[in-house]
Amino acid sequence: NAGVTQTPKFQVLKTGQSMTLQCAQDMNHEYMSWYRQDPGMGLRLIHYSVGAGITDQGEVPNGYNVSRSTTEDFPLRLLSAAPSQTSVYFCASSVNTETYEQYFGPGTRLTVT
Amino acid sequence: GQQVMQIPQYQHVQEGEDFTTYCNSSTTLSNIQWYKQRPGGHPVFLIQLVKSGEVKKQKRLTFQFGEAKKNSSLHITATQTTDVGTYFCAGDSGANNLFFGTGTRLTVIP
Repeated sequence: NAGVTQTPKFQVLKTGQSMTLQCAQDMNHEYMSWYRQDPGMGLRLIHYSVGAGITDQGEVPNGYNVSRSTTEDFPLRLLSAAPSQTSVYFCASSVNTETYEQYFGPGTRLTVT
Repeated sequence: GQQVMQIPQYQHVQEGEDFTTYCNSSTTLSNIQWYKQRPGGHPVFLIQLVKSGEVKKQKRLTFQFGEAKKNSSLHITATQTTDVGTYFCAGDSGANNLFFGTGTRLTVIP
């Protein structure tokens, strides 16, 4: 098993550009989530999904969209990048919402200039 | 909104000393989890606590969940250089929405 994979590892965007961060897991996990990590702020939940076709907002959803068309994939879209979205983004998955052990991907470091 | 506060923010210890980090929630939690993140790495799950007053041990690590399910602690006995990293607690109020603490960065001086 590859676990949770994320692409790209690094990305530089200009203000106003859009892009999609990819996340995939091969563990047949129901629950997937996206976090952003900023210095001194810990990890903050952006969006999550409890299964294919179901998504919901987390703590900081503004400026981001997600979809979950398959169990394996959970892409995060930045609609119009802003410097405030400069951060490290982590995707995570767990078996379900009761077995909460989350497996994190390696992260994407995004810089918006 | 829900907040999870974690102290201290930083801790420097001599190798062999003990280390404790504390986590406090503004609301009652259904469960709490602990994660470790090495420098430049991603968070790695350590443990989940569910029951009021629960205590769990993993070798030199002891995890505790408060009686009121609003606070938790992680204690490391006789730290080693391999313990270096940032330790996060993450609280769940039962709404599928995990709130992470700000983390405690542990430095172990050989």
